[in-house]
Amino acid sequence: AQKVTQAQTEISVVEKEDVTLDCVYETRDTTYYLFWYKQPPSGELVFLIRRNSFDEQNEISGRYSWNFQKSTSSFNFTITASQVVDSAVYFCALSEGTSGTYKYIFGTGTRLKVLA
Amino acid sequence: KAGVTQTPRYLIKTRGQQVTLSCSPISGHRSVSWYQQTPGQGLQFLFEYFSETQRNKGNFPGRFSGRQFSNSRSEMNVSTLELGDSALYLCASSLDGLSNQPQHFGDGTRLSIL
Repeated sequence: AQKVTQAQTEISVVEKEDVTLDCVYETRDTTYYLFWYKQPPSGELVFLIRRNSFDEQNEISGRYSWNFQKSTSSFNFTITASQVVDSAVYFCALSEGTSGTYKYIFGTGTRLKVLA
Repeated sequence: KAGVTQTPRYLIKTRGQQVTLSCSPISGHRSVSWYQQTPGQGLQFLFEYFSETQRNKGNFPGRFSGRQFSNSRSEMNVSTLELGDSALYLCASSLDGLSNQPQHFGDGTRLSIL
Protein backbone atom coordinates (compact mmCIF):
# COMPACT_ATOMS: atom_id res chain seq x y z
CA ALA A 1 0.00 0.00 0.00
CA GLN A 2 1.13 3.55 -0.60
CA LYS A 3 2.09 5.66 2.33
CA VAL A 4 3.89 8.92 2.93
CA THR A 5 5.35 9.68 6.33
CA GLN A 6 6.43 13.10 7.50
CA ALA A 7 7.57 12.37 11.02
CA GLN A 8 8.27 15.99 11.92
CA THR A 9 5.01 17.61 12.93
CA GLU A 10 6.44 21.03 13.64
CA ILE A 11 9.88 22.60 13.36
CA SER A 12 10.95 26.01 14.63
CA VAL A 13 14.15 27.64 13.47
CA VAL A 14 15.66 31.07 13.70
CA GLU A 15 16.00 33.06 10.52
CA LYS A 16 19.08 32.20 8.44
CA GLU A 17 19.34 28.71 9.84
CA ASP A 18 19.21 25.75 7.46
CA VAL A 19 16.38 23.29 7.93
CA THR A 20 15.61 19.86 6.45
CA LEU A 21 12.12 18.45 6.18
CA ASP A 22 11.97 14.68 6.02
CA CYS A 23 9.72 12.57 3.82
CA VAL A 24 9.66 8.77 3.69
CA TYR A 25 7.40 6.92 1.29
CA GLU A 26 6.19 3.39 0.63
CA THR A 27 5.08 2.05 -2.71
CA ARG A 28 5.10 -1.20 -4.65
CA ASP A 29 5.16 0.48 -8.04
CA THR A 30 8.37 0.93 -9.94
CA THR A 31 7.02 4.04 -11.62
CA TYR A 32 5.91 6.78 -9.29
CA TYR A 33 6.24 10.49 -8.70
CA LEU A 34 7.05 12.49 -5.63
CA PHE A 35 6.01 16.06 -4.99
CA TRP A 36 6.50 18.79 -2.44
CA TYR A 37 3.87 21.45 -1.81
CA LYS A 38 3.88 24.52 0.40
CA GLN A 39 0.75 25.71 2.19
CA PRO A 40 1.06 29.25 3.54
CA PRO A 41 -1.51 30.57 6.04
CA SER A 42 -3.77 31.65 3.17
CA GLY A 43 -4.58 27.99 2.56
CA GLU A 44 -3.66 27.42 -1.08
CA LEU A 45 -1.17 24.61 -1.68
CA VAL A 46 1.63 25.71 -3.96
CA PHE A 47 3.49 23.16 -6.06
CA LEU A 48 7.26 23.26 -5.47
CA ILE A 49 8.83 20.27 -7.20
CA ARG A 50 8.19 16.93 -8.87
CA ARG A 51 10.60 14.01 -9.06
CA ASN A 52 10.03 10.74 -10.92
CA SER A 53 11.22 7.39 -9.67
CA PHE A 54 13.85 7.03 -12.38
CA ASP A 55 15.61 10.26 -11.66
CA GLU A 56 17.66 10.28 -8.49
CA GLN A 57 19.52 13.46 -9.23
CA ASN A 58 19.34 16.00 -6.48
CA GLU A 59 17.90 19.35 -7.40
CA ILE A 60 18.63 22.85 -6.24
CA SER A 61 16.46 25.87 -6.85
CA GLY A 62 17.71 28.98 -5.14
CA ARG A 63 17.60 28.34 -1.40
CA TYR A 64 15.66 25.10 -1.87
CA SER A 65 17.20 21.70 -2.50
CA TRP A 66 15.82 18.19 -2.64
CA ASN A 67 17.56 14.90 -1.92
CA PHE A 68 15.89 11.82 -3.43
CA GLN A 69 17.24 8.44 -2.31
CA LYS A 70 15.47 5.32 -3.51
CA SER A 71 17.62 3.11 -1.29
CA THR A 72 16.04 4.66 1.79
CA SER A 73 12.71 5.63 0.14
CA SER A 74 13.23 9.22 1.14
CA PHE A 75 12.70 12.54 -0.55
CA ASN A 76 13.97 15.21 1.81
CA PHE A 77 13.67 18.96 1.37
CA THR A 78 16.24 21.44 2.64
CA ILE A 79 15.81 25.18 2.94
CA THR A 80 19.09 27.04 3.22
CA ALA A 81 19.29 30.35 5.08
CA SER A 82 15.62 30.21 6.03
CA GLN A 83 13.48 33.33 5.97
CA VAL A 84 10.29 34.30 7.78
CA VAL A 85 8.38 33.98 4.48
CA ASP A 86 9.24 30.28 4.47
CA SER A 87 6.89 29.79 7.41
CA ALA A 88 4.20 27.42 6.16
CA VAL A 89 3.06 23.84 6.23
CA TYR A 90 4.98 21.67 3.80
CA PHE A 91 3.48 18.52 2.31
CA CYS A 92 5.20 15.65 0.61
CA ALA A 93 3.03 13.61 -1.79
CA LEU A 94 3.30 10.37 -3.73
CA SER A 95 1.52 9.63 -6.99
CA GLU A 96 1.52 6.32 -8.78
CA GLY A 97 -0.47 4.73 -11.56
CA THR A 98 -0.04 5.27 -15.24
CA SER A 99 -3.42 5.99 -16.69
CA GLY A 100 -6.33 7.72 -15.14
CA THR A 101 -6.38 5.70 -11.97
CA TYR A 102 -3.73 7.60 -10.19
CA LYS A 103 -4.02 8.57 -6.59
CA TYR A 104 -2.22 11.27 -4.78
CA ILE A 105 -1.23 10.33 -1.25
CA PHE A 106 -0.18 13.20 0.97
CA GLY A 107 1.88 13.10 4.11
CA THR A 108 0.47 14.77 7.20
CA GLY A 109 2.63 17.82 6.66
CA THR A 110 5.37 19.57 8.58
CA ARG A 111 4.68 23.01 10.00
CA LEU A 112 7.76 25.17 9.69
CA LYS A 113 8.05 28.29 11.82
CA VAL A 114 10.88 30.63 11.01
CA LEU A 115 11.44 33.15 13.76
CA ALA A 116 12.93 36.57 13.10
CA LYS B 1 -3.65 32.70 -16.39
CA ALA B 2 -6.31 32.53 -13.69
CA GLY B 3 -5.78 29.94 -11.00
CA VAL B 4 -8.22 27.49 -9.49
CA THR B 5 -11.22 29.32 -8.07
CA GLN B 6 -13.31 27.96 -5.26
CA THR B 7 -16.53 29.43 -3.97
CA PRO B 8 -17.59 30.26 -1.39
CA ARG B 9 -14.51 30.82 0.79
CA TYR B 10 -16.42 30.30 4.01
CA LEU B 11 -19.62 28.52 4.93
CA ILE B 12 -21.43 27.95 8.18
CA LYS B 13 -24.07 25.27 8.31
CA THR B 14 -25.91 23.27 10.94
CA ARG B 15 -26.13 19.52 11.37
CA GLY B 16 -28.47 17.81 8.95
CA GLN B 17 -28.25 20.46 6.27
CA GLN B 18 -26.64 19.95 2.92
CA VAL B 19 -24.04 22.06 1.13
CA THR B 20 -22.68 22.52 -2.39
CA LEU B 21 -19.18 23.77 -3.07
CA SER B 22 -17.97 24.97 -6.44
CA CYS B 23 -14.63 24.78 -8.21
CA SER B 24 -13.48 26.32 -11.48
CA PRO B 25 -10.22 24.76 -12.70
CA ILE B 26 -7.44 26.44 -14.58
CA SER B 27 -8.46 26.99 -18.18
CA GLY B 28 -7.57 23.91 -20.23
CA HIS B 29 -7.36 21.60 -17.24
CA ARG B 30 -9.74 18.69 -17.52
CA SER B 31 -9.08 16.85 -14.27
CA VAL B 32 -10.51 18.12 -11.00
CA SER B 33 -9.85 16.51 -7.63
CA TRP B 34 -11.34 17.26 -4.24
CA TYR B 35 -9.67 16.91 -0.86
CA GLN B 36 -10.78 17.31 2.73
CA GLN B 37 -8.22 18.81 5.08
CA THR B 38 -8.59 18.56 8.85
CA PRO B 39 -6.00 19.07 11.61
CA GLY B 40 -6.27 15.46 12.71
CA GLN B 41 -6.41 13.64 9.37
CA GLY B 42 -4.40 15.87 7.08
CA LEU B 43 -5.30 15.89 3.38
CA GLN B 44 -7.74 13.16 2.46
CA PHE B 45 -8.61 12.44 -1.17
CA LEU B 46 -12.34 12.57 -1.88
CA PHE B 47 -12.69 12.01 -5.63
CA GLU B 48 -11.41 12.95 -9.05
CA TYR B 49 -13.37 13.88 -12.14
CA PHE B 50 -12.27 13.85 -15.74
CA SER B 51 -14.48 14.58 -18.74
CA GLU B 52 -17.58 14.67 -16.56
CA THR B 53 -16.90 11.20 -15.15
CA GLN B 54 -15.81 10.25 -11.68
CA ARG B 55 -12.62 8.36 -12.30
CA ASN B 56 -11.32 7.78 -8.81
CA LYS B 57 -12.80 7.83 -5.32
CA GLY B 58 -11.46 7.93 -1.80
CA ASN B 59 -12.89 6.33 1.32
CA PHE B 60 -15.71 8.67 2.18
CA PRO B 61 -19.38 7.87 2.79
CA GLY B 62 -22.00 8.31 0.10
CA ARG B 63 -23.07 11.61 1.66
CA PHE B 64 -20.14 13.09 -0.24
CA SER B 65 -20.79 13.35 -3.95
CA GLY B 66 -19.69 15.44 -6.85
CA ARG B 67 -20.07 16.14 -10.48
CA GLN B 68 -18.26 17.80 -13.32
CA PHE B 69 -19.73 19.87 -16.09
CA SER B 70 -18.78 20.02 -19.75
CA ASN B 71 -16.67 23.14 -19.12
CA SER B 72 -14.69 21.16 -16.48
CA ARG B 73 -16.13 23.12 -13.59
CA SER B 74 -16.95 20.87 -10.68
CA GLU B 75 -19.26 20.86 -7.71
CA MET B 76 -19.07 18.86 -4.54
CA ASN B 77 -22.13 18.14 -2.43
CA VAL B 78 -22.32 16.97 1.15
CA SER B 79 -25.71 15.91 2.47
CA THR B 80 -26.91 15.40 6.04
CA LEU B 81 -24.00 17.36 7.45
CA GLU B 82 -22.28 16.12 10.60
CA LEU B 83 -20.06 17.98 13.04
CA GLY B 84 -17.10 15.96 11.76
CA ASP B 85 -17.53 17.41 8.29
CA SER B 86 -16.08 20.70 9.50
CA ALA B 87 -12.94 21.08 7.42
CA LEU B 88 -11.14 22.95 4.68
CA TYR B 89 -12.22 21.53 1.32
CA LEU B 90 -9.63 21.93 -1.37
CA CYS B 91 -10.08 21.58 -5.08
CA ALA B 92 -7.17 20.87 -7.39
CA SER B 93 -6.91 20.74 -11.16
CA SER B 94 -4.41 19.28 -13.58
CA LEU B 95 -4.23 18.95 -17.33
CA ASP B 96 -5.28 15.32 -17.67
CA GLY B 97 -5.02 13.92 -14.17
CA LEU B 98 -1.99 11.79 -15.02
CA SER B 99 0.19 10.70 -12.15
CA ASN B 100 3.16 12.77 -13.31
CA GLN B 101 1.26 16.03 -13.44
CA PRO B 102 1.38 18.42 -10.51
CA GLN B 103 -1.93 19.55 -9.15
CA HIS B 104 -2.84 23.19 -8.82
CA PHE B 105 -4.92 24.03 -5.79
CA GLY B 106 -7.51 26.65 -5.00
CA ASP B 107 -7.68 28.57 -1.74
CA GLY B 108 -10.30 26.19 -0.40
CA THR B 109 -13.72 26.47 1.17
CA ARG B 110 -13.74 26.44 4.94
CA LEU B 111 -16.88 24.69 6.11
CA SER B 112 -17.99 24.97 9.72
CA ILE B 113 -20.80 22.84 11.09
CA LEU B 114 -22.61 24.09 14.20
